[in-house]
Amino acid sequence: GDSVTQMEGPVTLSEEAFLTINCTYTATGYPSLFWYVQYPGEGLQLLLKATKADDKGSNKGFEATYRKETTSFHLEKGSVQVSDSAVYFCALSPYGGATNKLIFGTGTLLAVQP
Amino acid sequence: DTAVSQTPKYLVTQMGNDKSIKCEQNLGHDTMYWYKQDSKKFLKIMFSYNNKELIINETVPNRFSPKSPDKAHLNLHINSLELGDSAVYFCASSGHPREHQETQYFGPGTRLLVL
Repeated sequence: GDSVTQMEGPVTLSEEAFLTINCTYTATGYPSLFWYVQYPGEGLQLLLKATKADDKGSNKGFEATYRKETTSFHLEKGSVQVSDSAVYFCALSPYGGATNKLIFGTGTLLAVQP
Repeated sequence: DTAVSQTPKYLVTQMGNDKSIKCEQNLGHDTMYWYKQDSKKFLKIMFSYNNKELIINETVPNRFSPKSPDKAHLNLHINSLELGDSAVYFCASSGHPREHQETQYFGPGTRLLVL
């Protein structure tokens, strides 16, 4: 079945460091791909998404490119801030079928230190 | 204005009790969902409703019964609560059930603790 694999956390970085969180997926067809962020004690917020191969999603300095050839959607940010500390979830929505559901990775905790 | 709201935010109860969680969205969406987040932060879909009709039921025990009185509300009733039901339950909504590129908007979550 469809699945998402993302790197184990926690990821601990110093402020202004470069961030990469790896995400790979298994799916039939052409799923849509998402990154959601969960700040402490809050619900999930969409960070960015891409709906077809080679699309780049971007928001708040974060970027991810939909790579069909490597089935990947890695999240990057050039310079992280303390306020970026959160849990990041990679997710896919399968193409076709009767429903629209999100299949999530296990989440990666990012801790940014001043 | 809160787009997707849930009540209560926290719920502490004894094993064997019955409890309900309510969800409302004011986004005009047709589709609503319930997800469960376990203690390791893993998120998994439980149910999805489109225009009050159940369209996803992901092998959830029948102690869990969703109810959608109208397309803006999706409630979750849980009978005979068990310790393993302790989790954070998230409600979400989106505009169309078959558009896989649709963004889902999440509520703040309900933290359920069964003692």
